[in-house]
Amino acid sequence: AQSVAQPEDQVNVAEGNPLTVKCTYSVSGNPYLFWYVQYPNRGLQFLLKYITGDNLVKGSYGFEAEFNKSQTSFHLKKPSALVSDSALYFCAVRDDQAGTALIFGKGTTLSVSS
Amino acid sequence: DVKVTQSSRYLVKRTGEKVFLECVQDMDHENMFWYRQDPGLGLRLIYFSYDVKMKEKGDIPEGYSVSREKKERFSLILESASTNQTSMYLCASSLADRINEKLFFGSGTQLSVL
Repeated sequence: AQSVAQPEDQVNVAEGNPLTVKCTYSVSGNPYLFWYVQYPNRGLQFLLKYITGDNLVKGSYGFEAEFNKSQTSFHLKKPSALVSDSALYFCAVRDDQAGTALIFGKGTTLSVSS
Repeated sequence: DVKVTQSSRYLVKRTGEKVFLECVQDMDHENMFWYRQDPGLGLRLIYFSYDVKMKEKGDIPEGYSVSREKKERFSLILESASTNQTSMYLCASSLADRINEKLFFGSGTQLSVL
């Protein structure tokens, strides 16, 4: 069975500082990994994905994520946080041998203070 | 841009009513999904469909059914609404092409069952 965990309900960071939002996963086969963001009163938007290849994936709005197979992690990062990055972030995974649907984590609220 | 449209933004129903949530996408996507979003629980998959008239159960299908008679439309049905089905319901669609896989979400329907 596939699963994904986001160990932090909330991450607080000051504007200009680097941010990390953590995600770990469990799959039987090879993972397809995704990050989505939900801004207040708006729908979920795709940020980035890892399918195969380079372990460092770059996405929208200056975000990037690092795939670490040995630690089964896919942490979201940004070198310098903006207040406008404050949102709810979801990690999602799909097992390449287990079908079509993504399984989402519980979400991490990122709060960036000015 | 892909557009996923959910018929209602807010819906209030009474216990025992039959409820229909409609979702339409305009990009000829093969896959369509229904998730519910609850605080602290993240997104949980109810049902998905990878083709017309095809459906697959997700993690929490109990109390729900779906219908996909046309490629662009995916309906979620609550046969007899209950208060524990009060939630935000999110519809999503994606191409079947896994290399370009990305979910596009609707704005959501906030359902309250009284």
